[in-house]
Order: sequence, then structure tokens, then C-alpha cells
Amino acid sequence: GESVGLHLPTLSVQEGDNSIINCAYSNSASDYFIWYKQESGKGPQFIIDIRSNMDKRQGQRVTVLLNKTVKHLSLQIAATQPGDSAVYFCAENTGTASKLTFGTGTRLQVTL
Amino acid sequence: GAGVSQSPRYKVAKRGQDVALRCDPISGHVSLFWYQQALGQGPEFLTYFQNEAQLDKSGLPSDRFFAERPEGSVSTLKIQRTQQEDSAVYLCASSFLSYEQFFGPGTRLTVL
Repeated sequence: GESVGLHLPTLSVQEGDNSIINCAYSNSASDYFIWYKQESGKGPQFIIDIRSNMDKRQGQRVTVLLNKTVKHLSLQIAATQPGDSAVYFCAENTGTASKLTFGTGTRLQVTL
Repeated sequence: GAGVSQSPRYKVAKRGQDVALRCDPISGHVSLFWYQQALGQGPEFLTYFQNEAQLDKSGLPSDRFFAERPEGSVSTLKIQRTQQEDSAVYLCASSFLSYEQFFGPGTRLTVL
């Protein structure tokens, strides 16, 4: 099938290690941020979100950190598994019915 | 329940042909978005509907691109006189008056 993100930055981690994927966003007015996972041939899949009034949110094996001062977002994946291999995008928007603006994406490769 | 579906999954068109891409959102979702994803890049916003009203079409790259959602459910993205630069994955997303957008698998358009 087709590949997503042939020319994207790549993060290679060993199975079981923790992964940290970073993203810089552009709009200081953005009030909602989302991390999406995209596997080849599939649409983006929601992982975790965070509102601008928070600086940290945890899910199952994932944590998102938001630093509004420097407009930086990170996704931490604990105990990375082979099934986590995909391209990860951060996205931002400014309202409940507004468009998402996506970052450039990072390819995560999990090695055994 | 069923997610967002798109058809066809793959479309090959000769330069100059017209194409129509279909999106079936999640039942009851008010908001519907179209995005274009070039190879190696994040999705980029094309247009947004709330029910049958097209509220934002600022991302449509040219007047060859047209989208409709006549009954507030299924949407069609039409591209007239396709050009090679139109080759991309076209993603549809829907949401129910919330920040979270649910994406379909996309239609990969290849213009020869």
C-alpha cells in the first residue's frame, strides 16, 4: 500500500523504551491541541487531546505536554510497542467547529 | 458503530477528467470537513460544512474544486479538469459540535 510520510523526520526507538515526539505550533490563539496517529493507507486516528488551560494530560501509555510560552507540544509514549509504528501528527484549532491545522509529522519506527 | 467512510478508496484519472469523491460521515454528525494530504505532508484543510451549509471554503485551491452536502449528511468533493498537482489523498472528517474530528480512510487520487 501507499506510504505516509516518505520524507518526514524519523524517530527510531527500541521496543519497550519510551518515545517522545515533539511539535511546534504556530497560532498563539489556538485553544485545543490533538495528537493523531496515521498508519499507511489509513486516515488519522485520534490519540489524545489537550485544552490550552492545561499543561499536561495523561491517557493509556500516552502523555501530552503543552508549553504555551514557547508554543511547544510533545507526545510521550511509554513502553513503545511495534504497533505504535506510524506517522504522528500534532494538530491545533481555535474552536469547536473550526479547521484543524496539522504539523509536519514524525515517523516513529519501533525496532525489536 | 460505523465510522466515516469514503469512496472510492483509489481513483486514477487522466489529466483533464472530472472526478467525484464521496464521504459518508458518522450518523448525526453535524460538522463535516475535507482535507487534502500530499505525500509526506500533513493534511491541509479544504472546506467545512455545518449541516448543509458550507461555512468555510477558504482552503479550496482553485475554482476547479467544488464541494457539496445537499441534505446535511453525505458530502461530495468534485474536482474538474484534474491536473497532476491534484494527486493526493483526500480525507473527510466529521464531528458532532465538538473539537474531536473523526477521519475516514481517505481517497487516494492519482492524476496521470
